[in-house]
Amino acid sequence: DAGITQSPRHKVTETGTPVTLRCHQTENHRYMYWYRQDPGHGLRLIHYSYGVKDTDKGEVSDGYSVSRSKTEDFLLTLESATSSQTSVYFCAITPGLGTDTQYFGPGTRLTVL
Amino acid sequence: DAKTTQPPSMDCAEGRAANLPCNHSTISGNEYVYWYRQIHSQGPQYIIHGLKNNETNEMASLIITEDRKSSTLILPHATLRDTAVYYCIVRVGGGKLIFGQGTELSVKP
Repeated sequence: DAGITQSPRHKVTETGTPVTLRCHQTENHRYMYWYRQDPGHGLRLIHYSYGVKDTDKGEVSDGYSVSRSKTEDFLLTLESATSSQTSVYFCAITPGLGTDTQYFGPGTRLTVL
Repeated sequence: DAKTTQPPSMDCAEGRAANLPCNHSTISGNEYVYWYRQIHSQGPQYIIHGLKNNETNEMASLIITEDRKSSTLILPHATLRDTAVYYCIVRVGGGKLIFGQGTELSVKP
């Protein structure tokens, strides 16, 4: 499982509240990614990071921000959650060192009421 | 990254080989073929990848045609636990993965 954990695993929140999802890895991987998965859309990239304090936008970044203040943690924040952000969120890492295969965490199911 | 085309669904009998096709006719010379699968409610799982040669690992085999315009993922002895959505992805390498709709494989007893 490449040492990836996500927290919380499930969350229900109300529209307009801030939400932070955490991705934690134990193996010092440089590259980390946040995806969301919705029926009919497959997985879509939100943001990614290629090192501490180095992040970039993916294809569906509006309404989301990220931070990476240390190698092991990549945080995804919804500043003001909306119902359209109800989704399953997956974190992924790339070990690097000659491979760019991505390995995924178990996911966080977020419901915004 | 090149576009891929996969059948939306397939059935396979338990214990038989499952052969999942993927068309990637616009693939360029430096693009790899990756396969992932996603079992219901879990994160996508890496299976195998290749450039031009056939590849085999403990999970599956990947057969890439000589012109590289298509490939087949082979699960040699499918079990009920192989029921999942299988994604074929073509990419140069590095950065994001672009997931299509994949093939929903149902392994039946």
